[in-house]
Amino acid sequence: GQSLEQPSEVTAVEGAIVQINCTYQTSGFYGLSWYQQHDGGAPTFLSYNGLDGLEETGRFSSFLSRSDSYGYLLLQELQMKDSASYFCLGRTGFQKLVFGTGTRLLVSP
Amino acid sequence: DTAVSQTPKYLVTQMGNDKSIKCEQNLGHDTMYWYKQDSKKFLKIMFSYNNKELIINETVPNRFSPKSPDKAHLNLHINSLELGDSAVYFCASSQGVAGGTYEQYFGPGTRLTVT
Repeated sequence: GQSLEQPSEVTAVEGAIVQINCTYQTSGFYGLSWYQQHDGGAPTFLSYNGLDGLEETGRFSSFLSRSDSYGYLLLQELQMKDSASYFCLGRTGFQKLVFGTGTRLLVSP
Repeated sequence: DTAVSQTPKYLVTQMGNDKSIKCEQNLGHDTMYWYKQDSKKFLKIMFSYNNKELIINETVPNRFSPKSPDKAHLNLHINSLELGDSAVYFCASSQGVAGGTYEQYFGPGTRLTVT
């Protein structure tokens, strides 16, 4: 089956840089998006990679390498408010969408 | 103005009942989705409609039936509710044809509890 794997939990301190990986076990990959979800809230869009390479949006950057079957979200200058769950969302085929397993990020002072 | 709204926000019901969740978006988007998030926070797509046409229909029990009366609305009807249906259901919308490549806007979610 198709799956996008993420680490279940990552911890870091304020001001640090953290990378959340998303690896997939499927053939054919057309793009990767990232979403943030605070406890009790709805997912909100962070970034999208349609092509290989790095996309930068403020403190958040996202990277995709389709040949290596992985992508990552990079969060810089971490703030307490970044504590949340992060999900990758992959387009794995024609009108086939799969969410990653999700990563809970805990930022401490 | 709320971009994607869902009603109700909370729904508590007994096994065997039939219930509906409504979703509306005022963004002018062509595509709408239903997702299920279970107790372990796994998000799974259930359905997607583009301009009232069903384009994604994942392996979901046929007790779940989506209906899109127009492109701004996508409702979810669930028959014969089971304990395993307890979850948070999210509606979302995006511009363009469903492909995951467009930014999706999520509603606030409906927490369904089946007792």
